[in-house]
Amino acid sequence: RKEVEQDPGPFNVPEGATVAFNCTYSNSASQSFFWYRQDCRKEPKLLMSVYSSGNEDGRFTAQLNRASQYISLLIRDSKLSDSATYLCVVNIGGGSYIPTFGRGTSLIVHP
Amino acid sequence: EPEVTQTPSHQVTQMGQEVILRCVPISNHLYFYWYRQILGQKVEFLVSFYNNEISEKSEIFDDQFSVERPDGSNFTLKIRSTKLEDSAMYFCASSDQLAGVKFFGPGTRLTVL
Repeated sequence: RKEVEQDPGPFNVPEGATVAFNCTYSNSASQSFFWYRQDCRKEPKLLMSVYSSGNEDGRFTAQLNRASQYISLLIRDSKLSDSATYLCVVNIGGGSYIPTFGRGTSLIVHP
Repeated sequence: EPEVTQTPSHQVTQMGQEVILRCVPISNHLYFYWYRQILGQKVEFLVSFYNNEISEKSEIFDDQFSVERPDGSNFTLKIRSTKLEDSAMYFCASSDQLAGVKFFGPGTRLTVL
């Protein structure tokens, strides 16, 4: 089983739509979780950390489900500028911190 | 806003040659990282560096790779004898905490011919 798995998409949604991505991780000892966005041929940029209680930043909501070992990202009121690849990053635990990236989920927001 | 910088933006080299990729992390950060991303594939962790030594490294980071912080600002990745499969985008990142937010540089695209 891959350490961090994401549906590659693409998710093709109209402006204003709500879209959600999931990311599953295999190591139950994983300690910290992040969502990054990556535009084509650019560096990953931090979108938000994911906290156990869930957290929100404007139109973006991140949640963690430790029992089922997945994190989610919800985007409300999608904008054209949200079009990007969304990367799930998990710090694999077990006494070391090795950040492991998922392959990313591609989002395309169209007019 | 502070940022991580990397040079060069694009490096072309012949197979078997040595390359050094340079990074200037954010000045008050203590943890430094190298990642790579082969075109069309996921971002892969190579190595982390703290207190002037390697703290973690992946299976990719074999004897052909080395890192150095030669002075108070630069952080370098050296590949001793490049292979075709080393062609990728190499990202440097820095953080002020071990498991904290990582700020990525814009990357160096390495092309091995």
